[in-house]
Amino acid sequence: KAGVTQTPRYLIKTRGQQVTLSCSPISGHRSVSWYQQTPGQGLQFLFEYFSETQRNKGNFPGRFSGRQFSNSRSEMNVSTLELGDSALYLCASRGQGREEQYFGPGTRLTVT
Amino acid sequence: ELKVEQNPLFLSMQEGKNYTIYCNYSTTSDRLYWYRQDPGKSLESLFVLLSNGAVKQEGRLMASLDTKARLSTLHITAAVHDLSATYFCAVDLLPLGGSQGNLIFGKGTKLSVKP
Repeated sequence: KAGVTQTPRYLIKTRGQQVTLSCSPISGHRSVSWYQQTPGQGLQFLFEYFSETQRNKGNFPGRFSGRQFSNSRSEMNVSTLELGDSALYLCASRGQGREEQYFGPGTRLTVT
Repeated sequence: ELKVEQNPLFLSMQEGKNYTIYCNYSTTSDRLYWYRQDPGKSLESLFVLLSNGAVKQEGRLMASLDTKARLSTLHITAAVHDLSATYFCAVDLLPLGGSQGNLIFGKGTKLSVKP
């Protein structure tokens, strides 16, 4: 069974630009969560989607948004990029019930 | 404020030695996760601890959970260089009305095993 995939793996953007990251969950998984990892703040929860609905959102500004499609693939968007948005963005998928989350390889975003 | 605290944050060990990483959390979560992360890589799931008193072992790693004390431990036995990585514990907020997709992570323990 294929794991969680994320594209692109690396991205360099300039301040003020916007970016879209993509996550394809494990086949059959309907829950996708996004996390931001930085050296200073560690791993922080961004949001979770289940069946195309956002179920929970972390403490991030409105510049961070996401969506989920009917095939469970998810995208997250960051508008008006700031230097502090440079991070590793991880997505995780989960199956039914209280199963554990499986993480993708991440997208390394660098904002210059 | 919800907190997950790991200690130590940095651990330098010699091969063959034993050590324990501690994870304290402030919620009433009944589920705790341990992950491993190699430099530049994603998170690899190590253990899911589902109930009070749960103990799981895999190779040289053993994890336990005490929900009453809100404490989990990750014990390393006879460390080898391949165990060098950063180890994270995390709890989910479901018992507090959050969703299962909302994990709160500790800061991580960077383990370095030296010959």
